[in-house]
Amino acid sequence: DTAVSQTPKYLVTQMGNDKSIKCEQNLGHDTMYWYKQDSKKFLKIMFSYNNKELIINETVPNRFSPKSPDKAHLNLHINSLELGDSAVYFCASSLGGGNTGELFFGEGSRLTVL
Amino acid sequence: QKEVEQNSGPLSVPEGAIASLNCTYSDRGSQSFFWYRQYSGKSPELIMFIYSNGDKEDGRFTAQLNKASQYVSLLIRDSQPSDSATYLCAVTRYSSASKIIFGSGTRLSIRP
Repeated sequence: DTAVSQTPKYLVTQMGNDKSIKCEQNLGHDTMYWYKQDSKKFLKIMFSYNNKELIINETVPNRFSPKSPDKAHLNLHINSLELGDSAVYFCASSLGGGNTGELFFGEGSRLTVL
Repeated sequence: QKEVEQNSGPLSVPEGAIASLNCTYSDRGSQSFFWYRQYSGKSPELIMFIYSNGDKEDGRFTAQLNKASQYVSLLIRDSQPSDSATYLCAVTRYSSASKIIFGSGTRLSIRP
């Protein structure tokens, strides 16, 4: 069983379109994250949810909207896609508390905007 | 100044030698320190964490932390070709325990 799973793994789309990425974890963790990794491998935190509550919202355009229907799921919807949105988006989870930095990552969703 | 800085490399080390990876951080309030390994095209995986000053050993890996110098390092002994990957340093702050900040990573290449 995959601990943190993301779908889809690949998205290729045109500028201006809207797309969603879904994430699910079966580890029983309380905290989930979205990270963006650009072509230079820099991993930047975007959002974090703890038990369905948004706790971190970095400086991310309003076109990005996360949703957590329950603590095992965290989705990311992106409106009006731009070329600069091309990246790999990683979902991750952690126990939270003192184990916050021990992240378990999904396989990533590679988004290409043409 | 970036919050977490790493030399991007590539760092080339002969097989069997010690690979030394370094990381500095800017926030003195940083509390916990992590090393992740990321193979090309894969997701990062945690290999070491350290919370207190000093050394922490786990198999061939040793993490070293010096909070006074705001410096954390990872040593890999008896380097193997399978250690070739990008190593990401990450820190958390007491003020925002859920916010894990990553460095840009050091690419390590072990040559046979």
